[in-house]
Amino acid sequence: DTEVTQTPKHLVMGMTNKKSLKCEQHMGHRAMYWYKQKAKKPPELMFVYSYEKLSINESVPSRFSPECPNSSLLNLHLHALQPEDSALYLCASSQRGTSGSHGETQYFGPGTRLLVL
Amino acid sequence: AQTVTQSQPEMSVQEAETVTLSCTYDTSESDYYLFWYKQPPSRQMILVIRQEAYKQQNATENRFSVNFQKAAKSFSLKISDSQLGDAAMYFCAPPRASGTYKYIFGTGTRLKVLA
Repeated sequence: DTEVTQTPKHLVMGMTNKKSLKCEQHMGHRAMYWYKQKAKKPPELMFVYSYEKLSINESVPSRFSPECPNSSLLNLHLHALQPEDSALYLCASSQRGTSGSHGETQYFGPGTRLLVL
Repeated sequence: AQTVTQSQPEMSVQEAETVTLSCTYDTSESDYYLFWYKQPPSRQMILVIRQEAYKQQNATENRFSVNFQKAAKSFSLKISDSQLGDAAMYFCAPPRASGTYKYIFGTGTRLKVLA
């Protein structure tokens, strides 16, 4: 099973709402990632969890709050978002969760398309 | 710092023809991995091919192959016998820096396949 699942597929929220995005993988991978992708742009890394520890926070505003309850699950909690936060949010995982130049293949989920009104 | 350049925002190819997508990067590492990913419209991003820098041989995966020029820091993707299903955004991912978990991607090349 090489699947990364994400729910929901689509989300519309107001600027005062609180919502969560969920990502799940059952490949035994030890690293999980959140990316933000605007239309016609490459994915931009937001957070990396390696062995359930937050390893990278790319200076993302605090209205985005990641959580890794266990090695298979990754959540992204959203609160008081702005319209410019509207984007495709991608989750990915990779096997070893190690750092350095020997990068690993990332397995991506289908994404959650978020619209903030 | 990791940098990557995909100089072709958009390319077109006739079905069954061959096309090459370019990617150049910068790194201070000597041993590293490079990746090409494909993102079809409204579908998941998937790995196309991976190259390990210490290997002399260029990686191939069926109709996909790379032309890896380590000294020139060039990593182009060749798609042979193009098919309609190859239409997608293609992102090059350069080497990660030592000690980092961070991946970055090039700006992407949109490939159109003409019937």
